[in-house]
Amino acid sequence: KNQVEQSPQSLIILEGKNCTLQCNYTVSPFSNLRWYKQDTGRGPVSLTIMTFSENTKSNGRYTATLDADTKQSSLHITASQLSDSASYICVVTRSGGSYIPTFGRGTSLIVHP
Amino acid sequence: GAGVSQSPSNKVTEKGKDVELRCDPISGHTALYWYRQRLGQGLEFLIYFQGNSAPDKSGLPSDRFSAERTGESVSTLTIQRTQQEDSAVYLCASSPRQGYNSPLHFGNGTRLTVT
Repeated sequence: KNQVEQSPQSLIILEGKNCTLQCNYTVSPFSNLRWYKQDTGRGPVSLTIMTFSENTKSNGRYTATLDADTKQSSLHITASQLSDSASYICVVTRSGGSYIPTFGRGTSLIVHP
Repeated sequence: GAGVSQSPSNKVTEKGKDVELRCDPISGHTALYWYRQRLGQGLEFLIYFQGNSAPDKSGLPSDRFSAERTGESVSTLTIQRTQQEDSAVYLCASSPRQGYNSPLHFGNGTRLTVT
């Protein structure tokens, strides 16, 4: 079964600190992996996309990594800000056949002042 | 430009009533998705449209749920004889074209409460 598992389920950090969120997947064959940010009461917004050949990609203070061999990805947030408080969702899309991406359940991040 | 628009933003209905939820995708986006998100849970896939056709409706939880799309634009999700377990946020997303690398652009959802 194609699955996406995220850890931790929730995380609380102090403003200015760094954190790393994890995503493990079994979706195969692999096409791409996206990280989305979902603010409370809003729809998710794409932060970054990783394809098979990419290992690292940055978007401002967000850096995503991908190890396609171990089927793991991480999202590292540097110098966290209060506005980073949100749910971060890992989404993996298969290649071939259905274009329906598989969503993880998300990591809820709370940044305290 | 305008993003994905969903209406109403909030809907409270009595158990047993029918409801219609509307999604206006970004103009020109051919792919459209509906998801359900229960409180504190992840996104649950309901149905996918490519143009006006629904090649994948495998996520619809029961025959009380249906959806249509017209003019390769507006989509309506209908829930008949609502139950309390239908209470959730219903999210719509659109995508520029059929393809693996296109991001989903989400609306802010309709929060449905069944009393």
